[in-house]
Amino acid sequence: GENVEQHPSTLSVQEGDSAVIKCTYSDSASNYFPWYKQELGKRPQLIIDIRSNVGEKKDQRIAVTLNKTAKHFSLHITETQPEDSAVYFCAASKGEGYSTLTFGKGTMLLVSP
Amino acid sequence: EAQVTQNPRYLITVTGKKLTVTCSQNMNHEYMSWYRQDPGLGLRQIYYSMNVEVTDKGDVPEGYKVSRKEKRNFPLILESPSPNQTSLYFCASTTDSSTDTQYFGPGTRLTVL
Repeated sequence: GENVEQHPSTLSVQEGDSAVIKCTYSDSASNYFPWYKQELGKRPQLIIDIRSNVGEKKDQRIAVTLNKTAKHFSLHITETQPEDSAVYFCAASKGEGYSTLTFGKGTMLLVSP
Repeated sequence: EAQVTQNPRYLITVTGKKLTVTCSQNMNHEYMSWYRQDPGLGLRQIYYSMNVEVTDKGDVPEGYKVSRKEKRNFPLILESPSPNQTSLYFCASTTDSSTDTQYFGPGTRLTVL
């Protein structure tokens, strides 16, 4: 089955800095890659996703890049703010018609004021 | 309000005592899924259902059962709980596949003594 590796497991940055979280996947058939944010004590929520026909996607301060050849994708957060502090999960799926979504182990991001 | 609900939110039980965690969604979603979240292991899929009466195993199905008799409900059943099933459980639903936004329930924290 699919295996998703996520790094780093913890990341501490100063407010205003950029943060990058990286994930690799094993199944070359995977073509959908979402990112979820989980604040302390809350449920995971989708923040951005990318499909294999796109190399990069941006939404305000958040961007995701995908390198299908290398089988890795990354989350970039610019101008970090304390409210960005949370656990971030990447995930991979083979796409429509497939129902399994495999998550990475998560990255705890701490943004200090 | 569109939502996924789970009950109970917290449960402490003893080894071997059968329990059911309910999950319900009011968004008319066809696809529902159960995950467990453990420190350092991320979110792991237990079971999923693509529609009424259609269920299949995820990555960690041992010790769990599910049923999907109605579109809105997807209960998780632990016939004989063991301490290694102590975890935080999330139900999620989505429109029709793993490539759509997963809407997570609030979570159920289960402790098996």
